[in-house]
Amino acid sequence: RKEVEQDPGPFNVPEGATVAFNCTYSNSASQSFFWYRQDCRKEPKLLMSVYSSGNEDGRFTAQLNRASQYISLLIRDSKLSDSATYLCVVIPKARFGGGFKTIFGAGTRLFVKA
Amino acid sequence: ETGVTQSPTHLIKTRGQQVTLRCSSQSGHNTVSWYQQALGQGPQFIFQYYREEENGRGNFPPRFSGLQFPNYSSELNVNALELDDSALYLCASSLSREDGSETQYFGPGTRLLVL
Repeated sequence: RKEVEQDPGPFNVPEGATVAFNCTYSNSASQSFFWYRQDCRKEPKLLMSVYSSGNEDGRFTAQLNRASQYISLLIRDSKLSDSATYLCVVIPKARFGGGFKTIFGAGTRLFVKA
Repeated sequence: ETGVTQSPTHLIKTRGQQVTLRCSSQSGHNTVSWYQQALGQGPQFIFQYYREEENGRGNFPPRFSGLQFPNYSSELNVNALELDDSALYLCASSLSREDGSETQYFGPGTRLLVL
């Protein structure tokens, strides 16, 4: 089983639609969680951190469910410019004490159509 | 822009050769991480350097090595190149927090092709 798994998609949605992505992780002791966005042939860029209480940034809402070991990203009122690959990121343990690493999911591709 | 730069942007090598990739961190950042991203995959963590020491490593063989310099710039060295090493190599700089919650800022990457 992969440490971090995402539905690869692609998700094809019309403008204005609401779309949700899930990401599951295997290490129950994981510490930190993020969503990154990556445009074609570009570097990943931070979209938002994910907190236990959930967090919202405009049209984007991120949730963490520690009991079920998944994080989610909800995009409301999709725009053409939202078309990209969305990567979830899990940091399994705290920095100090050795063995630090960052784990990216394989990404979910989103296409928003006019 | 993130302020993280990488060089070169593209590189072609042949099997068995060695390559050095370079990264300049964002000003004030003390941590750099290196990733390998194959086509259609997410970035795979190679290793991370914090204050010039390796702080963590992913599942990559020893022929992948790195350095971080006092000015926090960094190098990724790959020896004995293999065809499967063809990928986009990304570096990311950050200012470390103990719980790892800091934001990583990525450079534009180096595209390596091994023939």
